[in-house]
Amino acid sequence: AQTVTQSQPEMSVQEAETVTLSCTYDTSESDYYLFWYKQPPSRQMILVIRQEAYKQQNATENRFSVNFQKAAKSFSLKISDSQLGDAAMYFCAYRSASNFGNEKLTFGTGTRLTIIP
Amino acid sequence: AAGVIQSPRHLIKEKRETATLKCYPIPRHDTVYWYQQGPGQDPQFLISFYEKMQSDKGSIPDRFSAQQFSDYHSELNMSSLELGDSALYFCASSFLRGWNTEAFFGQGTRLTVV
Repeated sequence: AQTVTQSQPEMSVQEAETVTLSCTYDTSESDYYLFWYKQPPSRQMILVIRQEAYKQQNATENRFSVNFQKAAKSFSLKISDSQLGDAAMYFCAYRSASNFGNEKLTFGTGTRLTIIP
Repeated sequence: AAGVIQSPRHLIKEKRETATLKCYPIPRHDTVYWYQQGPGQDPQFLISFYEKMQSDKGSIPDRFSAQQFSDYHSELNMSSLELGDSALYFCASSFLRGWNTEAFFGQGTRLTVV
């Protein structure tokens, strides 16, 4: 079974600064997807960014980028120019790509990000 | 754009009662997933359906059952409710035939068991 670990329960960053959230995972599969989801106080789950394991290039979405280290099984999220609206719980998630019918997401325990004005 | 619709948004039930949660996936999406998120917890996978057939099963109690109907909407039925069932229940949908990797989440149903 796959596991996802987020070792930082809470993080804070000054507005306009950069912050990096950590995520490690354990899997024996070679083909999979990794995601970062944001859950603001509204509790809506919002996809921030995704990475296909077969791609060496790190994904980027505007101010959000990842550092994907497949050998180390590490998938960190970097938020640049932090904004007040970035305050939320961030979940790292894993999804298998090997078996059809096994597309469930396995989540980490989350990192609560606070933005300091 | 249409999103995943869940109803009701809030539900209060007493212990030992029954609850039914509904999920309407994004049009053309063929797969529905149910997740349970307890207070301060990460979402836990319960069950999924692809083309109206159960495709995967997680930590879903025997007291819970679910199905996907011909119009692709799904219902999660929860019986003999316990206090520990109080949680946020998410439904998500995706289009697997299109090899879409993204699951779109609904806004969730907050179930409170008293």
